[in-house]
Amino acid sequence: DVVMTQTPLSSPVTLGQPASISCRSSQSLVHSDGQTYLSWLHQRPGQPPRLLIYKISNRFSGVPDRFSGSGAGTDFTLRISRVEAEDVGVYYCVQATQHPQTFGQGTKVEIK
Amino acid sequence: EVQLVESGGGLVQPGGSLRLSCAASGFTLSSYWMHWVRQDPGKGLVWVSNINGDGTYMSYADSVRGRFTISRDDAKNTLYLQMNSLRADDTAVYHCVRGTTAWKGIDYWGQGTLVTVSS
Repeated sequence: DVVMTQTPLSSPVTLGQPASISCRSSQSLVHSDGQTYLSWLHQRPGQPPRLLIYKISNRFSGVPDRFSGSGAGTDFTLRISRVEAEDVGVYYCVQATQHPQTFGQGTKVEIK
Repeated sequence: EVQLVESGGGLVQPGGSLRLSCAASGFTLSSYWMHWVRQDPGKGLVWVSNINGDGTYMSYADSVRGRFTISRDDAKNTLYLQMNSLRADDTAVYHCVRGTTAWKGIDYWGQGTLVTVSS
């Protein structure tokens, strides 16, 4: 299975400041169809995960534009341009290029 | 609005069985792949099983293969997970998750139902 490794595991951030989370895969996530199926999820306390970003950099419906994704191959990054209070929680990367899909261990974002 | 509502979790003894249900609304179940993903504090998010739109293809994580069975009832727009021979390490919140159609992946998640395997 593809191993997804996130850094950092915890990220104290200041409101209004940027934040970034890295995700590295143990194998290239480029599919035979040429696409890269790397997504980012956000889970608030007591809530299920929700999709933020798909195929590296595409924002899902209703996701604010302060969230952006980038990367290629095995290295990916989620950025929040200006952190808001509602952004606290745990962020996960997930790959669906290879079966079974696998998740990163999660990065907890909290306000300083 | 897409909604996924799981039910059927609870406390069960090792070796016991449970059947989880996931009632879908806001979309037609038969048009989508559907997944079960479990979440526990120690292991994070782990994919468990999936089923294709017409119910002809199912796959399972190695840890549950031979013990769990995924199925769907399109007339009821409901997804199921039959769990047999439960073990302590099956303890987790089980989420029902919709597969995407425009790209490979998952989009909407249910709130989850807690399964606790303990004597």
